[in-house]
Amino acid sequence: QSALTQPASLSGSPGQSITISCTGTSSDVGGYNYVSWYQHHPGKAPKLLIYDVSKRPSGVSYRFSGSKSGNTASLTISGLQAEDEADYYCSSYTSSGRVFGGGTKLTVL
Amino acid sequence: EVQLVESGGSLVQPGRSLSLSCTASGFTFGDYAMSWFRQAPGKGLEWVGFIRSEAYGGTTEYAASVKGRFTISRDDSKSIAYLQMSSLKTEDTAVYYCTRDSVGTFDPWGQGTLVTVSS
Repeated sequence: QSALTQPASLSGSPGQSITISCTGTSSDVGGYNYVSWYQHHPGKAPKLLIYDVSKRPSGVSYRFSGSKSGNTASLTISGLQAEDEADYYCSSYTSSGRVFGGGTKLTVL
Repeated sequence: EVQLVESGGSLVQPGRSLSLSCTASGFTFGDYAMSWFRQAPGKGLEWVGFIRSEAYGGTTEYAASVKGRFTISRDDSKSIAYLQMSSLKTEDTAVYYCTRDSVGTFDPWGQGTLVTVSS
């Protein structure tokens, strides 16, 4: 299983919107609606942001949204805030296991 | 409150073995698959492997990097998942996390336990 492909880094200014892409294959991202996204601040436990492509768990800000087109999933963060600076990861279910993205480091300028 | 607590991390020499535990509370442990992840210093999160619930055979899947060296097991009566690591290498040095796994959705996560492989 190859890791899902994410941009290594992105940056944005407060108030802006940014989109993180996550590219897989028809065997993972494109084949199932089981894509999820996680936020990880260094030294803390990772946090689930989005599951089943676009569903938001209770307590997660509406500023986080997910979508998918073909083999590429996307996480959009609107109204960027300083506390959004973190690492973001995507994940997908596969029939033989799980596949995870390499992570995107988001910097809020 | 749903909670996961990892334990067992320590300093270990290359080639030796180490077992980690993940103790769960606040949910019916036996109903869920459980996954293990790790994060090496300066690197991203890496999925290590998972164990299905007994309803799905309790079978396991592993990342290629650990297959044949790591074994995941579970004790539903104690609500504990285990990660048995053998033939450890310096590149296995990482913080290891366990997480509840629902069709590839990981939530919640534990705080992690540090494994250092060094002579």
